[in-house]
Amino acid sequence: DARVTQTPRHKVTEMGQEVTMRCQPILGHNTVFWYRQTMMQGLELLAYFRNRAPLDDSGMPKDRFSAEMPDATLATLKIQPSEPRDSAVYFCASGLGGRHEQYFGPGTRLTVT
Amino acid sequence: DAKTTQPTSMDCAEGRAANLPCNHSTISGNEYVYWYRQIHSQGPQYIIHGLKNNETNEMASLIITEDRKSSTLILPHATLRDTAVYYCIVSVFPNAGNMLTFGGGTRLMVKP
Repeated sequence: DARVTQTPRHKVTEMGQEVTMRCQPILGHNTVFWYRQTMMQGLELLAYFRNRAPLDDSGMPKDRFSAEMPDATLATLKIQPSEPRDSAVYFCASGLGGRHEQYFGPGTRLTVT
Repeated sequence: DAKTTQPTSMDCAEGRAANLPCNHSTISGNEYVYWYRQIHSQGPQYIIHGLKNNETNEMASLIITEDRKSSTLILPHATLRDTAVYYCIVSVFPNAGNMLTFGGGTRLMVKP
């Protein structure tokens, strides 16, 4: 049963520290999405990639967030420096071009103190 | 993408059909209707999608009105495990990645 995996599942860090979240999309999927979920804002799209190229990152605070796909099996979301307002659950999802479904990972729960 | 309106919460008795409505009165001709759900502490899960015709899969049925301004997701025999937040989303496909904009959703509580 193919699944999207995310690491770490939980992260607690202090304000100002760098945070890196990783996602392994389902093998063969060529589209990757990063979402953030908070109680106040709900689920928001941060960025997405197709064939490893970033297509849209307009939902991402550019000054501190960066998203990359070093290879087809790994997507990363980095926050530097982190702030308490970044506390949220970050979801990665993958999909296959030409198909409608997106498959979500279990999320990384980030707490910045 | 068109905006959707869903009730904030609904209850359903276990074993009964759960009918979750969604209004999308400004939907465009090339926009699909998608349903996802999110069980507590998990990532969202795709359920079903449709354009004009009614659709059915192993999880649910999707009924879209003829004018496409509203739809209903039907879980034919709800179980306790169906308790979740259900999101109705309309989006163009493909739109350079099929970006999904999640609203507040409907919190469905299935009760014994």
